[in-house]
Amino acid sequence: KAGVTQTPRYLIKTRGQQVTLSCSPISGHRSVSWYQQTPGQGLQFLFEYFSETQRNKGNFPGRFSGRQFSNSRSEMNVSTLELGDSALYLCASSLVPARSYEQYFGPGTRLTVT
Amino acid sequence: TQLLEQSPQFLSIQEGENLTVYCNSSSVFSSLQWYRQEPGEGPVLLVTVVTGGEVKKLKRLTFQFGDARKDSSLHITAAQPGDTGLYLCAGALRNRDDKIIFGKGTRLHILP
Repeated sequence: KAGVTQTPRYLIKTRGQQVTLSCSPISGHRSVSWYQQTPGQGLQFLFEYFSETQRNKGNFPGRFSGRQFSNSRSEMNVSTLELGDSALYLCASSLVPARSYEQYFGPGTRLTVT
Repeated sequence: TQLLEQSPQFLSIQEGENLTVYCNSSSVFSSLQWYRQEPGEGPVLLVTVVTGGEVKKLKRLTFQFGDARKDSSLHITAAQPGDTGLYLCAGALRNRDDKIIFGKGTRLHILP
C-alpha cells in the first residue's frame, strides 16, 4: 500500500508570493492533517480535514488555508508569504479523524521563503 | 505554553548503553503516540498507547503510558547507531476535541 505522498518536496518562494502544497493520503484514509515544523517551535498543528470539511484548526493566521477533495486528497495554501513561513510542512493521514487512531506522515514539503 | 514537555532535549550516548526519554504534561490524553523522525523525512509512527499504565515493547524499545494518562516514557536497551533520530511524542487532548499536540522532541545520537 502506498504511503502518504506530498508534492512538491522542495520549494523556494519570495516574500509576498503565495504557495499551494498537495497531499495524497494513504488509500482508504479519509482524514488529513497538516503540520508546520520548525526548529524553534517543533511540530505545530495547522488544520485537519475529514470528508471535505475542516474539523479542527490550529492557531495560525488566516493566510494559511486548506481544503480537501472528494477523493480525500488535500491542499494547503499560504498567501502573502513571510520569511517566518520557511518550514517543513507535513501532511498526515488517518482512517478517521486523528483521535485514538494513528496518523501516518508524508515526507514533507520543505518551503524556503527568501 | 508547551503542553507536552519532552526531556531531555538532546542526548548523546555510546552504542550499547541504555536510555530513557520522557514526555510529560499536566493534561490528560485519550491516547499518546511516539514517532521517530530522521532528517529530511516525516515522522514514522512507532507505537500508540491508550490505556493508563499500559506498557508496550517493540524489540529493544519499551513504551509506558502513565497511570493518570498525563505522561509517557520511552526506554531503549542497548542503543544502536540506527536508533539515532528525533523522537517525538504526540497526544490527543481528552477535553479539547481530541486535538493532537506534539512535544518538541528529543534528539538522540548514538555514537558507534
